[in-house]
Amino acid sequence: NAGVTQTPKFQVLKTGQSMTLQCAQDMNHNSMYWYRQDPGMGLRLIYYSASEGTTDKGEVPNGYNVSRLNKREFSLRLESAAPSQTSVYFCASNQYRLQPQHFGDGTRLSIL
Amino acid sequence: GQQLNQSPQSMFIQEGEDVSMNCTSSSIFNTWLWYKQDPGEGPVLLIALYKAGELTSNGRLTAQFGITRKDSFLNISASIPSDVGIYFCAGRGADGLTFGKGTHLIIQP
Repeated sequence: NAGVTQTPKFQVLKTGQSMTLQCAQDMNHNSMYWYRQDPGMGLRLIYYSASEGTTDKGEVPNGYNVSRLNKREFSLRLESAAPSQTSVYFCASNQYRLQPQHFGDGTRLSIL
Repeated sequence: GQQLNQSPQSMFIQEGEDVSMNCTSSSIFNTWLWYKQDPGEGPVLLIALYKAGELTSNGRLTAQFGITRKDSFLNISASIPSDVGIYFCAGRGADGLTFGKGTHLIIQP
């Protein structure tokens, strides 16, 4: 049982390049989330999808877009990467929003 | 918005010692969660608390949901080397789920 799978695990981009981070869960969960983790900042919510077909902004949505492709998959896109977006990105999911979230192992993104 | 303070920021302890960390909030929370993150991995849920005053154990770990609903603590008894990592609290309130900044637990040989 893979749980939450994120790809790629590592990526280096140049400023201005675009990139899509992929996330898939095999637990039949309704809700999915994207977080970024920066040193000393904890986890901050970028976007979430409470159910298939819906997406909403979190605490730090600027510079990002998301797509809930189907119930399993939730992607995060950086249209024009900036050095401030260097971070570790985590995808998470849960059956319903009030339940604890299950996390993937993260994508480590560096933007030069 | 919801503010959550987690302390201590880091802990250096000897193997076998007990560990205690806590989180306090400026807002009332309905749920407290405690996660552990190992290097290169995502956070893994340790304990979930849903009622004020609730005390829950998971092996050597014990967590409590404060009576005021504004705080929670996590205790680890008789620490072992694999307890090393970052421990995060998270509280769910009116503004959704908020994470603490983490407690780095380092165990000295």
